Amino acid sequence: GAVVSQHPSWVICKSGTSVKIECRSLDFQATTMFWYRQFPKQSLMLMATSNEGSKATYEQGVEKDKFLINHASLTLSTLTVTSAHPEDSSFYICSAAGTSGSVGTDTQYFGPGTRLTVL
Amino acid sequence: RKEVEQDPGPFNVPEGATVAFNCTYSNSASQSFFWYRQDCRKEPKLLMSVYSSGNEDGRFTAQLNRASQYISLLIRDSKLSDSATYLCVVNQKGTYKYIFGTGTRLKVLA
Repeated sequence: GAVVSQHPSWVICKSGTSVKIECRSLDFQATTMFWYRQFPKQSLMLMATSNEGSKATYEQGVEKDKFLINHASLTLSTLTVTSAHPEDSSFYICSAAGTSGSVGTDTQYFGPGTRLTVL
Repeated sequence: RKEVEQDPGPFNVPEGATVAFNCTYSNSASQSFFWYRQDCRKEPKLLMSVYSSGNEDGRFTAQLNRASQYISLLIRDSKLSDSATYLCVVNQKGTYKYIFGTGTRLKVLA
């Protein structure tokens, strides 16, 4: 149980385009989803927290108009990187937390990540 | 001061060795503690939660010291496959928000 998927697993795009990344909890309902970014040899940095049906809460320094987050259902959240630039190239990882069956209430389960390269 | 601090390593140890990592946290309201393992270019995977009384899972033992605000991870009989980055994670009661340490890199050598 507690499987989280992400799509796509990697994407290469031109500067100025927008990229959408999907995060799905496959076997539990995720009341909260998180989006992280990880640069090489650095730890995960939380970008934003999203609760189903409400606006995301962004961490300091993260532009909400650039990184659009939608959490339309208890199993799906999307992150759209708008007008991507080379400095946005990174490893984007989502995680999900919720209360369903054996899923712990304070445990996050991570998706496999999306590697974004902006040319 | 960072909320969660770890020695980045790398720790280079021979196969079969015992190795221990420590992690300190600054927020005394932290309630839940975890060790995650992250392989290169992969997502973090939960290794074990850390309980107040300490807990063991096979070759892995985790300890929590609330008074000194640190947690530890002990790996016995290291295997080559243990080579990875070990992330210390804490969060506060009532929130799902995780605070990650920078990770400690372990290399087990043949």
